Amino acid sequence: NAGVTQTPKFRILKIGQSMTLQCTQDMNHNYMYWYRQDPGMGLKLIYYSVGAGITDKGEVPNGYNVSRSTTEDFPLRLELAAPSQTSVYFCASSYSPVGGYTFGSGTRLTVV
Amino acid sequence: QQQVKQSPQSLIVQKGGISIINCAYENTAFDYFPWYQQFPGKGPALLIAIRPDVSEKKEGRFTISFNKSAKQFSLHIMDSQPGDSATYFCAASTTGNQGGKLIFGQGTELSVKP
Repeated sequence: NAGVTQTPKFRILKIGQSMTLQCTQDMNHNYMYWYRQDPGMGLKLIYYSVGAGITDKGEVPNGYNVSRSTTEDFPLRLELAAPSQTSVYFCASSYSPVGGYTFGSGTRLTVV
Repeated sequence: QQQVKQSPQSLIVQKGGISIINCAYENTAFDYFPWYQQFPGKGPALLIAIRPDVSEKKEGRFTISFNKSAKQFSLHIMDSQPGDSATYFCAASTTGNQGGKLIFGQGTELSVKP
């Protein structure tokens, strides 16, 4: 089982550029999440989805957008990248609100 | 009110010792409290979780203690091993409608010395 797959693993963006972080899961989980991890700050929820076609904002959604057209895929779009978006991004999925999250291996993004 | 506060930020324990990490929350609607373990370069992985209807849950060397009245919960790692060296996150969420969104603590970097 692949679990949760994130691509790319590393990326360097210039200020103002845009990119999409890809996330795919093969566990048929309805719940999917995007978090960012900054040193000493824990993980902050950016966006989440409770099923295909349904998305909602988390704690830190500004500068990001998501879509959920299928159960498997939950891409995160960064528009007009800023240095403050330098972080490690994790996608996760779960089968229920009390189910443990399965995390991907992360995307390390640097904006210069 | 959505915060989960975790301490200490870092912890050094001798092999065989007990590691204790503490978390506190404010939102009384939280009803699911998991702990995650993260190794460098990897995503966090679920370690153990508890619901507020019990005061303690044990899985192998890992125990969660939960104090509902104090709004605190803690992770105890017994007989700590060098392989336990990792970053640990506590988290909390509600499980009702639109629930499942975990709020994470700041993390504790545990180092177990041989």
